Amino acid sequence: AQSVTQPDIHITVSEGASLELRCNYSYGATPYLFWYVQSPGQGLQLLLKYFSGDTLVQGIKGFEAEFKRSQSSFNLRKPSVHWSDAAEYFCAVGQPTDKLIFGTGTRLQVFP
Amino acid sequence: KAGVTQTPRYLIKTRGQQVTLSCSPISGHRSVSWYQQTPGQGLQFLFEYFSETQRNKGNFPGRFSGRQFSNSRSEMNVSTLELGDSALYLCASSSTPPETQYFGPGTRLLVL
Repeated sequence: AQSVTQPDIHITVSEGASLELRCNYSYGATPYLFWYVQSPGQGLQLLLKYFSGDTLVQGIKGFEAEFKRSQSSFNLRKPSVHWSDAAEYFCAVGQPTDKLIFGTGTRLQVFP
Repeated sequence: KAGVTQTPRYLIKTRGQQVTLSCSPISGHRSVSWYQQTPGQGLQFLFEYFSETQRNKGNFPGRFSGRQFSNSRSEMNVSTLELGDSALYLCASSSTPPETQYFGPGTRLLVL
């Protein structure tokens, strides 16, 4: 079955600390991979995406993610977190002409 | 380019009523997908329309329906509302699904 797992429901970090949000997927083929961020009461904003090629992808707001085929993972990282990064983060997978499958999300809290 | 717009942003209905939500995609995008987001179930795919045809459908009852117009604008309708239909309904558009889906701000529906 196709699925996305975000094992961390809630993460708390101090401002300036590094961040890694985990994402593992189960999919029949190499999927397209996405990270979205959602602020309270808002829609989803695309942070970055992986389709093919270089397995380390850069996104907006200083985020990056690395695709590891052997581990079926697509973890999101940021070297130094800002208070404005506090939000909920969703990993998603999909294929052309197919729906996106989302993980359950990781809520990030940032302490000053 | 203007982003995805959804109307209305907030809606309160009572059980048994029906509701219609509207989504205007990014100019040039021909695919529109709808998702339901609830605290308990997370983000769940409802359906996707491409060139006025439903191409994909999620596992929702027949009370949930949608359509797409020739200008790519889409509507979704929920008939005989139930309390459990209270959710944030998100619309996403893409030029070639699911290459990159861009989300609107959502319509928050409260069923009393």
